Amino acid sequence: EIVMTQSPATLSVSPGERATLSCRASQSVSSNLAWYQQKPGQAPRLLIYGVSIRATGIPARFSGSGSGTEFTLTISILQSEDFAVYYCQQYNKWPRTFGQGTKVEIK
Amino acid sequence: EVQLVESGGRVVRPGGSLRLSCAASGFTFDDYGMSWVRQAPGKGLEWVSGINWNGGSTRYADSVKGRFTISRDNAKNFLYLEMNSLRAEDTALYHCARDPGLGIEWYFEFWGRGTLVIVSS
Repeated sequence: EIVMTQSPATLSVSPGERATLSCRASQSVSSNLAWYQQKPGQAPRLLIYGVSIRATGIPARFSGSGSGTEFTLTISILQSEDFAVYYCQQYNKWPRTFGQGTKVEIK
Repeated sequence: EVQLVESGGRVVRPGGSLRLSCAASGFTFDDYGMSWVRQAPGKGLEWVSGINWNGGSTRYADSVKGRFTISRDNAKNFLYLEMNSLRAEDTALYHCARDPGLGIEWYFEFWGRGTLVIVSS
C-alpha cells in the first residue's frame, strides 16, 4: 500500500497570507494525485486532481504542483472560508490512499 | 445538482450487521463508479470499497474484505454497503462518493455528508 504523508499536521496562517501544504508518497504515484478540503460537519470537497487541475468551481487561488513522490498545494491568498482540513489522495495504485490531513487554522 | 445522501447508520453491537444506503440524484447514476469512504471520529479518510458502473467490478480494502459487500441498484439510483461481523474499529462516518467516470480507479468527484456507524456493546 502506498503511504501518503502530509506536513505539517497544523499550519497557522493569517488571512491574506500564502499557505503551502506538502504531501509525500512512499513510492511514485505519477500524476495521479488529488487534494480535498473538508470543513467541520461537511463532506470533503474535491479541489485538485491530476496534481494541478482545479475541479469545477474551485478558485484560482488554489494551485497544485509536484510529481512522482513530492506534491504541494498552495493557497495564494488565504480567505476566511479556506480555514479547513486538507487531504491528499493517490489513485495510482490500489488501494486508493489518503494522507492524514493538514489543518489550516487562523493565526 | 449532484446529491448523495447516506442513511442506515446506527449503534450496533460487535459482531452485528448493518446495511448502509446512498441515494443518488442530479446525475445519470449508471454512468459512474461509486465508492464508500469512511472517517473514524477525529481521524482521516479511509477508502473502504468501490463498484464500477454496472456492478461488474468491485474492490475492497483489506480491512473489510470478506465482511463488507458493496452493491448498487441502477434502476433505483441507490448504492449499498452490507456490513457483517462488525468490529469496534469499524466505528466511523461512512461517506458515499462518486468517481469521475465509469470505473473506480480515480479520485472522488462528489461526496455525501455521511452516515454514522458506532460499533459498541
